[in-house]
Amino acid sequence: NAGVTQTPKFQVLKTGQSMTLQCAQDMNHEYMSWYRQDPGMGLRLIHYSVGAGITDQGEVPNGYNVSRSTTEDFPLRLLSAAPSQTSVYFCASSYSFGEGREQFFGPGTRLTVL
Amino acid sequence: EDKVVQSPLSLVVHEGDTVTLNCSYEVTNFRSLLWYKQEKKAPTFLFMLTSSGIEKKSGRLSSILDKKELFSILNITATQTGDSAIYLCAPASSGAQKLVFGQGTRLTINP
Repeated sequence: NAGVTQTPKFQVLKTGQSMTLQCAQDMNHEYMSWYRQDPGMGLRLIHYSVGAGITDQGEVPNGYNVSRSTTEDFPLRLLSAAPSQTSVYFCASSYSFGEGREQFFGPGTRLTVL
Repeated sequence: EDKVVQSPLSLVVHEGDTVTLNCSYEVTNFRSLLWYKQEKKAPTFLFMLTSSGIEKKSGRLSSILDKKELFSILNITATQTGDSAIYLCAPASSGAQKLVFGQGTRLTINP
């Protein structure tokens, strides 16, 4: 199993550009989520999904869109990048959420917006 | 509003010391509390705690949860330089279906 994979590893954008961060898992996990991590702020939830076709907002959703058309993939779209979105982005997945299962994290994408 | 506070935010000790990391929380519909270790990249799972007073152990690491006082501690005995990392606690809210992460404790072990 590859686990949770994310692409790209690094990305530099100009203000106003759009892009999609890719996330895929091969563990047949129902639950997937996106976090951003900024210095001194821990991990903050952007969006999450409890299954294909179902998504919901986390605590910092503004400026980001998600969709979940398959169990395996959960892309995160930045609509119009802003310098405030410079961060490290982690995708995570777990079998389900109801029992508070362990979430497995991808390696992260380091995004810089100029 | 859900709230997680970890203390201390930063800790520097010598190899061989014992450390205690603290996590206090307020989350709606609490389900469990997870501890993660983060070195240079993604967080890796350490423990999941669901019941009060039952210690979980893995080698030199142990953790316990107090659901009445709403806190958890992570102990590391006989610390090694490889224990240097950020330690994150994350209570799970079943109603909101999310983990709420604390800011983390940055632990540095000097040889």
